[in-house]
Amino acid sequence: TQLLEQSPQFLSIQEGENLTVYCNSSSVFSSLQWYRQEPGEGPVLLVTVVTGGEVKKLKRLTFQFGDARKDSSLHITAAQPGDTGLYLCAGFFQGAQKLVFGQGTRLTINP
Amino acid sequence: GAVVSQHPSRVICKSGTSVKIECRSLDFQATTMFWYRQFPKQSLMLMATSNEGSKATYEQGVEKDKFLINHASLTLSTLTVTSAHPEDSSFYICSAEDRVDRIYEQYFGPGTRLTVT
Repeated sequence: TQLLEQSPQFLSIQEGENLTVYCNSSSVFSSLQWYRQEPGEGPVLLVTVVTGGEVKKLKRLTFQFGDARKDSSLHITAAQPGDTGLYLCAGFFQGAQKLVFGQGTRLTINP
Repeated sequence: GAVVSQHPSRVICKSGTSVKIECRSLDFQATTMFWYRQFPKQSLMLMATSNEGSKATYEQGVEKDKFLINHASLTLSTLTVTSAHPEDSSFYICSAEDRVDRIYEQYFGPGTRLTVT
């Protein structure tokens, strides 16, 4: 079974602080996606990473894909209350057609 | 990004009745759509993969006769919960797969909150 471990599962920090969420597997991804989900809504795609070592930025969010394509991280700089939500990493393992989700990180930014 | 709609957003039904949920890709064609279930404070659980023009592929433990999936066109998939019971109450989310330059991405609908009384 190909598993995707996401950590931390819960994170509560003050506005203005930085944070990093991690997504790890023992298997290689063909691509990996990060989503953000708010209560009562569907996940919204933030970014897709494909190439090992790739770094993508979305305003204050920085996404990295590991060189070996087995791990990824999401770094948020100067977190704001509007960043509160459930962050999900999800990946396609090589040769697989199903998206495998991590457990999610429930992020709370306190004003 | 691509847009996926779901209808209804909320539905309450009585135990023993059936409920149909629609998932539409609005600005792209999706050969493959997916149906997920999400329990409170948990991640998404894949129920089945819906392929246009063919039978759906169900995940282990998901009853295909209870959760009927039809993918009649490249923009519409439906999930019918038959003979619903209170334990079927959940948040159901669909996604549609789009492929751009050999990269597959899934775009999610807004979800349907089903409550069975």
